[in-house]
Amino acid sequence: NAGVTQTPKFQVLKTGQSMTLQCAQDMNHEYMSWYRQDPGMGLRLIHYSVGAGITDQGEVPNGYNVSRSTTEDFPLRLLSAAPSQTSVYFCASRPSGGANYEQYFGPGTRLTVT
Amino acid sequence: EDKVVQSPLSLVVHEGDTVTLNCSYEVTNFRSLLWYKQEKKAPTFLFMLTSSGIEKKSGRLSSILDKKELFSILNITATQTGDSAIYLCAAAYNAGNMLTFGGGTRLMVKP
Repeated sequence: NAGVTQTPKFQVLKTGQSMTLQCAQDMNHEYMSWYRQDPGMGLRLIHYSVGAGITDQGEVPNGYNVSRSTTEDFPLRLLSAAPSQTSVYFCASRPSGGANYEQYFGPGTRLTVT
Repeated sequence: EDKVVQSPLSLVVHEGDTVTLNCSYEVTNFRSLLWYKQEKKAPTFLFMLTSSGIEKKSGRLSSILDKKELFSILNITATQTGDSAIYLCAAAYNAGNMLTFGGGTRLMVKP
């Protein structure tokens, strides 16, 4: 199993550009989530999904869109990039059901917006 | 406002020392407290604690949760240089669908 994969690893955008960060998992996990991590800070939840067709907002959803058309994929879209969105983005997944909330993280995408 | 606070922010110790990292939380509908270790890349899971007073151990690492006082500690005994990392704690709530992370404790272990 590849686990949670993210592409690209690095990206530089100009202000106002749009792009999609890709996330895929091959563990058949129903729950998937996106976090951003800024220097010196912990991770902050952007959006999450408890299954295909279901998404919900986390702590910092503004400026980001998500969709979940399959169990495997959970892309994150930046509609009009801003310098404040410069960050490292992590995707994570876990099985739903039960009381195990351990999430498995992807390797991250480092995004710079100039 | 849901929040998780970790202390200290950073810590420098020598190999063989014992360290204690602190995590306090205040979230609605708390489910569990999780600890992660982050080196250069993605966080890796250490422990999940749901019940008060029950210590979890893995080698030189151990952790315990106090649900009355709303905090958890992570102990590392006989530290090694490989323990150098950022240690993150997170509170799971909202039926476990949301994790709020603390800002992390940066641990440096010197030879």
